[in-house]
Amino acid sequence: AQSVTQPDIHITVSEGASLELRCNYSYGATPYLFWYVQSPGQGLQLLLKYFSGDTLVQGIKGFEAEFKRSQSSFNLRKPSVHWSDAAEYFCAVAPGGNDYKLSFGAGTTVTVRA
Amino acid sequence: SAVISQKPSRDICQRGTSLTIQCQVDSQVTMMFWYRQQPGQSLTLIATANQGSEATYESGFVIDKFPISRPNLTFSTLTVSNMSPEDSSIYLCSVDLGMNTEAFFGQGTRLTVV
Repeated sequence: AQSVTQPDIHITVSEGASLELRCNYSYGATPYLFWYVQSPGQGLQLLLKYFSGDTLVQGIKGFEAEFKRSQSSFNLRKPSVHWSDAAEYFCAVAPGGNDYKLSFGAGTTVTVRA
Repeated sequence: SAVISQKPSRDICQRGTSLTIQCQVDSQVTMMFWYRQQPGQSLTLIATANQGSEATYESGFVIDKFPISRPNLTFSTLTVSNMSPEDSSIYLCSVDLGMNTEAFFGQGTRLTVV
């Protein structure tokens, strides 16, 4: 069965500092990979996705992620965080092909300090 | 893209009763998904609903507790039956448009069982 691991439950970062959120997955083939953000009381918003091709993916709000097949990882990065980036971040995996059933990681809560 | 409307957005229900959550999509989709997000937790897939066939439930979820209807390609309902406080969660509807698109989520239904 596929699984998604987000090792960091909570990260605190200063405004303007860089941010990296880790995501590792366990799956036989290369799945579809996603990062979603959930702000308090809000729904899920897609930051970026990877299906194939260039392993460095650009997303919205200045986020990017890099797919590393050898490490089964899809880490999310942002060079300079803003206070509005404080939220819950979820890495998700779908099997691929025509199967879009998502398995979510446990999530990482990001706190931004002034 | 897809716009998903969920009703109700929130509800407070008495234990032992049932609540039906509606999910309306602005375009025809083959597969619709229902997820649960328990307080402070990640999202867990409840079931996949295809039009014209029985829903497929994930391990730990059963039809008697979470009956699902899918009468057409733009609409689905999830019923939470014989509710207990442990059913207090956010329930989210999701769809995918296939072919390298993302999964789109509704805003969710925040259910509190008292």
